Amino acid sequence: NAGVTQTPKFQVLKTGQSMTLQCAQDMNHNSMYWYRQDPGMGLRLIYYSASEGTTDKGEVPNGYNVSRLNKREFSLRLESAAPSQTSVYFCASRQQSWRNTTQYFGPGTRLLVL
Amino acid sequence: SQQGEEDPQALSIQEGENATMNCSYKTSINNLQWYRQNSGRGLVHLILIRSNEREKHSGRLRVTLDTSKKSSSLLITASRAADTASYFCATDAFGNTPLVFGKGTRLSVIA
Repeated sequence: NAGVTQTPKFQVLKTGQSMTLQCAQDMNHNSMYWYRQDPGMGLRLIYYSASEGTTDKGEVPNGYNVSRLNKREFSLRLESAAPSQTSVYFCASRQQSWRNTTQYFGPGTRLLVL
Repeated sequence: SQQGEEDPQALSIQEGENATMNCSYKTSINNLQWYRQNSGRGLVHLILIRSNEREKHSGRLRVTLDTSKKSSSLLITASRAADTASYFCATDAFGNTPLVFGKGTRLSVIA
């Protein structure tokens, strides 16, 4: 099992450009998440999908859109990139249930917006 | 806003010493989890403690939970240089809600 995979690993954008970050998991998890991590800020939740067909805003959703394409894939789109979106983006998944399950993270995408 | 707050923000110790990190949170939880992040990598789950548990062990890790004080601690015994990483607590509330992560503690273990 590959776990959670993310593409690309690194991307440089100019202000105003758009791009989509891809995430896929092969663990048959129902819930998927997108976080951003900035120095000294820890992880901040952008959007999540509790189950296939649903998406919800997290703490910092402005400037982003998401698509839960199917149970495996959850993409994050920046329509018009801004320098403030320079960050490391992590995708994660878990099988959310009453059994207190843990979360699995992808390796991250480093995004630089000039 | 983030629920879990780790303390200290940074910790530097000698190899062989014990490292203790604390986490405080604000609301009721179903469980609390600790994660580790090596530089430039994704987070990796270390240990989970349920709200009805007070202490849990896993190898050199010991986690305590005090729900009356809304706090948890992570103890790493006999630390090694390879333990150098950032450590995050995450709270899991009841219901179908995402984990909420703290800002983390940066641990440096000096050989």
